[in-house]
Amino acid sequence: EADIYQTPRYLVIGTGKKITLECSQTMGHDKMYWYQQDPGMELHLIHYSYGVNSTEKGDLSSESTVSRIRTEHFPLTLESARPSHTSQYLCASSESGGYQPQHFGDGTRLSIL
Amino acid sequence: DQQVKQNSPSLSVQEGRISILNCDYTNSMFDYFLWYKKYPAEGPTFLISISSIKDKNEDGRFTVFLNKSAKHLSLHIVPSQPGDSAVYFCAASALVNNDMRFGAGTRLTVKP
Repeated sequence: EADIYQTPRYLVIGTGKKITLECSQTMGHDKMYWYQQDPGMELHLIHYSYGVNSTEKGDLSSESTVSRIRTEHFPLTLESARPSHTSQYLCASSESGGYQPQHFGDGTRLSIL
Repeated sequence: DQQVKQNSPSLSVQEGRISILNCDYTNSMFDYFLWYKKYPAEGPTFLISISSIKDKNEDGRFTVFLNKSAKHLSLHIVPSQPGDSAVYFCAASALVNNDMRFGAGTRLTVKP
């Protein structure tokens, strides 16, 4: 069973606020990912990290930023939230090397008013 | 550019029957394929995978088939149970860059 946790689960907040979505995993995985998903659509990779101090942007343009100071922690930050940021955000992690599945947290459903 | 496609947004089957979920991909570099199951208000859960050196992988009631020439994979669930009702996502990645792409999902409903 994967141990990856996201907080908050739900967030409704006004435009212009700074938001940090938390993601932590207890499996010691080097690789971590952030996806954005809208209802009925595929998951889109917005950020990933292959280890501490490593962060890269995914294929979907995003105004968010990430940091990876510790192996277990991969927070995502929106400096100034807008209604277009309303979506579900999913965090995942995987082991390195070979074919490895990604394990997901339960997501944060974000609504910007 | 959607590289992984699940053309059926929904599927309904009777309990005890076979469920077949389909997935097509376009990128010939993909060599690792996965299926995830997602319940409402939860994250996707890894279900089963297959690498491109195989054409079938079985785990209990779940079997994944891969047809590399057709760039097609399918998930068979036999027998289907009401608890299998969920959204199923197909995913594919390439070992060379570990870039995983997901389909839009198929909502499976298993009726008692």
